[in-house]
Amino acid sequence: EAGVAQSPRYKIIEKRQSVAFWCNPISGHATLYWYQQILGQGPKLLIQFQNNGVVDDSQLPKDRFSAERLKGVDSTLKIQPAKLEDSAVYLCASSTSDSGDNEQFFGPGTRLTVL
Amino acid sequence: GENVEQHPSTLSVQEGDSAVIKCTYSDSASNYFPWYKQELGKGPQLIIDIRSNVGEKKDQRIAVTLNKTAKHFSLHITETQPEDSAVYFCAASNNQGGKLIFGQGTELSVKP
Repeated sequence: EAGVAQSPRYKIIEKRQSVAFWCNPISGHATLYWYQQILGQGPKLLIQFQNNGVVDDSQLPKDRFSAERLKGVDSTLKIQPAKLEDSAVYLCASSTSDSGDNEQFFGPGTRLTVL
Repeated sequence: GENVEQHPSTLSVQEGDSAVIKCTYSDSASNYFPWYKQELGKGPQLIIDIRSNVGEKKDQRIAVTLNKTAKHFSLHITETQPEDSAVYFCAASNNQGGKLIFGQGTELSVKP
């Protein structure tokens, strides 16, 4: 079974530029999550999708971050404009359902550096 | 809001010794407690989980204990090996669609 795929793996941009990350979840997984992991901390949920609908985006800084999952499969996360404090690893995860106690499978992450 | 505290932040043990990592949670509705291992450059990977209807679960060298009254849960690794070196995260959620809240992580180093 193929895992969660993410690209790019690394991205370096200057502040005020925009950036986009892509995620392809495990086939058949209805729930998709985007997490932000700042160096030395645990992952923090940014947004959760159930199929193509948003379940929880309470921690997403909506003035600069946006995410979509148009066909209920792939997802993109965008930051525009980026700030220095956005430097982090952005992790995508998927699970079979949004019940909260299903295993979440994580991708390798995209390491973003904002200069 | 919901919070998960994890200790210690770093742990160094000799190969063959045991390692214990402890977490406390604040949300009394939490009933699912997974542990993840994250190696350098990789995403977290589930290693064991426990639900609130049991107090202990074991899988080979790894065990997890849960004290719901005290809102504590712990990870125990016995006979540690160098390949156990990684960052370990505890987390908590509820099965009513609650999101996973992660602890701050413990960097475990197993010295040969």
